[in-house]
Amino acid sequence: GESVGLHLPTLSVQEGDNSIINCAYSNSASDYFIWYKQESGKGPQFIIDIRSNMDKRQGQRVTVLLNKTVKHLSLQIAATQPGDSAVYFCAETGATNKLIFGTGTLLAVQP
Amino acid sequence: EPEVTQTPSHQVTQMGQEVILRCVPISNHLYFYWYRQILGQKVEFLVSFYNNEISEKSEIFDDQFSVERPDGSNFTLKIRSTKLEDSAMYFCASRGLSESSYNEQFFGPGTRLTVL
Repeated sequence: GESVGLHLPTLSVQEGDNSIINCAYSNSASDYFIWYKQESGKGPQFIIDIRSNMDKRQGQRVTVLLNKTVKHLSLQIAATQPGDSAVYFCAETGATNKLIFGTGTLLAVQP
Repeated sequence: EPEVTQTPSHQVTQMGQEVILRCVPISNHLYFYWYRQILGQKVEFLVSFYNNEISEKSEIFDDQFSVERPDGSNFTLKIRSTKLEDSAMYFCASRGLSESSYNEQFFGPGTRLTVL
């Protein structure tokens, strides 16, 4: 039968290293892509977004890359810290503004 | 910093009972959303609400679900007759008109609904 979905992809990094989290999206008509961070027991927290007419956007310690050709989105976190440990979701949205979330990746930062 | 709040943080109910989940969106926001997250799975859209009416709803949001903005501050999600599969974390989100990022939806901390 179907799993209960507890087996999130996991990325384990050492503190201070750079992290890259990847996501494949489904709808080529989406015009915004967003990364959310979810800590245990909390709601999703906005990190950064990118419009579909861009391929790169930088924030504080984070960079989002968008490859529309292969419908791929990535989040790069520089100098990863223990506080970055969380589940990271990509999301896409279009004209209706509802968010369609991806599966999520668990980032585990080892001190 | 303004934030979305939700009550209760945890609701336990018997199958078949009605539940109302409450949210107070950020005060100057105009767009409101409910999402749910079954344990260990991704966040799923339920419904969006604007100008006192539903803008869009997903297939999950069937006749057992309803939303209401009973006053100027609260936004509620009602499930009329809960089923075991309604057990999930329910998140409220709100969005304003002129955020620095086009589509930033601010999420509340969630209500964990457990149906027994």
